[in-house]
Amino acid sequence: QVQLVQSGAEVKKPGSSVKVSCKASGGTFSSYTISWVRQAPGQGLEWMGRIIPILGIANYAQKFQGRVTITADKSTSTAYMELSSLRSEDTAVYYCDCASSGYDYFDYWGQGTLVTVSS
Amino acid sequence: DIVMTQSPDSLAVSLGERATINCKSSQSVLYSSNNKNYLAWYQQKPGQPPKLLIYWASTRESGVPDRFSGSGSGTDFTLTISSLQAEDVAVYYCQQYYSTPPENTFGQGTKLEIK
Repeated sequence: QVQLVQSGAEVKKPGSSVKVSCKASGGTFSSYTISWVRQAPGQGLEWMGRIIPILGIANYAQKFQGRVTITADKSTSTAYMELSSLRSEDTAVYYCDCASSGYDYFDYWGQGTLVTVSS
Repeated sequence: DIVMTQSPDSLAVSLGERATINCKSSQSVLYSSNNKNYLAWYQQKPGQPPKLLIYWASTRESGVPDRFSGSGSGTDFTLTISSLQAEDVAVYYCQQYYSTPPENTFGQGTKLEIK
């Protein structure tokens, strides 16, 4: 049973960056894919990108290309999502999730991290 | 991008009655080499992360009650709750994972309430 624990809420200024962590336990971290999905207040789910830790290869949604960086530290079973050039529209709950099968349906989710962008 | 469109946006059903949610993809998510539809369904309750219900369009995730079922192929899919329970009140999302390179996309969500 995989558990994903995310870092705490953040308040950021427009134009700055945020880095959210996601620590995995209870499974084989390197063999999964870890994705990041965000949800603006009252809105739907938006996939941002993913990483395959064993390969260190990341893929990003076109919308976030150039602004998001997803990394993974196999030694600590932790994935990171960094989003730069923040604007108010980036205010959202950011979830990490795991596709343990290797196919991108997400069977485990973190608790979510609220990122608020405000001047 | 593959666009996922759900209908209706909201739905009110009486307890014990059937609830049906539709999901349409802008292109087929059926992979011919393995005959699998790359389509999943999730349930999200307020203040919680989404929960996987169905994958491969019709395979129920372990622990999901059998009143939840998924059907469809190609571009048209359905999530059915055969007998609505109070705890099924939630927002339901479909998601395609067909795209290569990955560009996973979700439907806009369907809010399910008790009538």
